[in-house]
Amino acid sequence: QSALTQPPSASGSPGRSVTISCTGTSSDVGYYNYVSWYQQHPGKAPKLMIYEVSKRPSGVPDRFSGSKSGNTASLTVSGLQAEDEADYYCSSYAGSNNLVFGGGTKLTVL
Amino acid sequence: EVQLLESGGGLVQPGGSLRLSCADSGFTFSNYAMNWVRQAPGKGLDWVSAISDGGGSTYYADSVKGRFTISRDNSKNTLYLQMNSLRVDDTAEYFCARGIVGGILHAFDIWGQGTMVTVAS
Repeated sequence: QSALTQPPSASGSPGRSVTISCTGTSSDVGYYNYVSWYQQHPGKAPKLMIYEVSKRPSGVPDRFSGSKSGNTASLTVSGLQAEDEADYYCSSYAGSNNLVFGGGTKLTVL
Repeated sequence: EVQLLESGGGLVQPGGSLRLSCADSGFTFSNYAMNWVRQAPGKGLDWVSAISDGGGSTYYADSVKGRFTISRDNSKNTLYLQMNSLRVDDTAEYFCARGIVGGILHAFDIWGQGTMVTVAS
């Protein structure tokens, strides 16, 4: 199963918004509403930020939002803060009891 | 506090074996599907294996099928990953992760801190 495609890097100034894309196929992102997003700071474990395309777990700020159109899912971080600087990974259920991750996007807060 | 704690990582030669463990605290372990996810140094996340809440169903990535075995002991609140025929490209930090309620491979809401496995001669 091929990995989902994410841009290697993204950046934005404090207070602004940034959107990270995650492109899959009609067999994963395009077919299932089981897209998740994870935040990972250096040396730390990943943290679930968004699940089922647009749902936020308890405790995740509403500055983080998710959406999907066709085979591409997106994570938008609004009101950027310094602590948002991290790596972000998307994942999608891909059928046949398989899950795929994206290659990750390094978000820099300028 | 809900926590997962992995152990068992280390240095092993190619072709060798290793067993990882993941112990939970703070939640009813037997109510959740569990997973192993790995991350090679400087690389992205890579799903390895999943097991249903009761342990009756197991799933593997193609890259580890036939070499790795996932299991769990709900009486001990512990998840395991038996890794055999290890290869250099299995070198990674291995995380255990809890599946969210409602789906084995939908999302992972609690992660351990990871245990490092290094395969080298």
